Amino acid sequence: DAKTTQPPSMDCAEGRAANLPCNHSTISGNEYVYWYRQIHSQGPQYIIHGLKNNETNEMASLIITEDRKSSTLILPHATLRDTAVYYCIVRVRGDKIIFGKGTRLHILP
Amino acid sequence: EAQVTQNPRYLITVTGKKLTVTCSQNMNHEYMSWYRQDPGLGLRQIYYSMNVEVTDKGDVPEGYKVSRKEKRNFPLILESPSPNQTSLYFCASSFRTAEKLFFGSGTQLSVL
Repeated sequence: DAKTTQPPSMDCAEGRAANLPCNHSTISGNEYVYWYRQIHSQGPQYIIHGLKNNETNEMASLIITEDRKSSTLILPHATLRDTAVYYCIVRVRGDKIIFGKGTRLHILP
Repeated sequence: EAQVTQNPRYLITVTGKKLTVTCSQNMNHEYMSWYRQDPGLGLRQIYYSMNVEVTDKGDVPEGYKVSRKEKRNFPLILESPSPNQTSLYFCASSFRTAEKLFFGSGTQLSVL
């Protein structure tokens, strides 16, 4: 079973910030949170990752709660090209990487 | 250009006919992995490899084999394909375990 929980789908208006939540209540102290997205049936694409502190790059921002049990991926100005399935993952069970089903984000024009 | 290359992109075969899907990366990555993706089930890990000659089972290894004889290559072998192995397959690699993964473009396999 996936060790992260994400809503199955979300809508966001074009130009607005998209905030995608993820729960990872069993995360260990040395496990990073990674976010990927998959557009149509293409290979998933890395977005961002973090351990404790908030992170920002050219694609997105990652907010991790102080207790590290949840995080939020923020796409600051969503465009139609951001329509995709977004996966939040943590490293669990050694070297296995479990993706789960992700959140299908719909950007509305 | 840094990339993970899978071949073929599309493959149609018949039950029981052995096939190999190739995966190659040019980034000197230690970690490589195979996933299958089916509607409603997300990405499920088949096998992974920590380094040359080191492989281990993921969540759905039944019916698949892998080998890691060279660092850059990680082929997925279906000795006797069955229709329930019809799926979209992705190969991925990273410098070390669970670091940023790079994915291939995918292989759509249909077993008739």
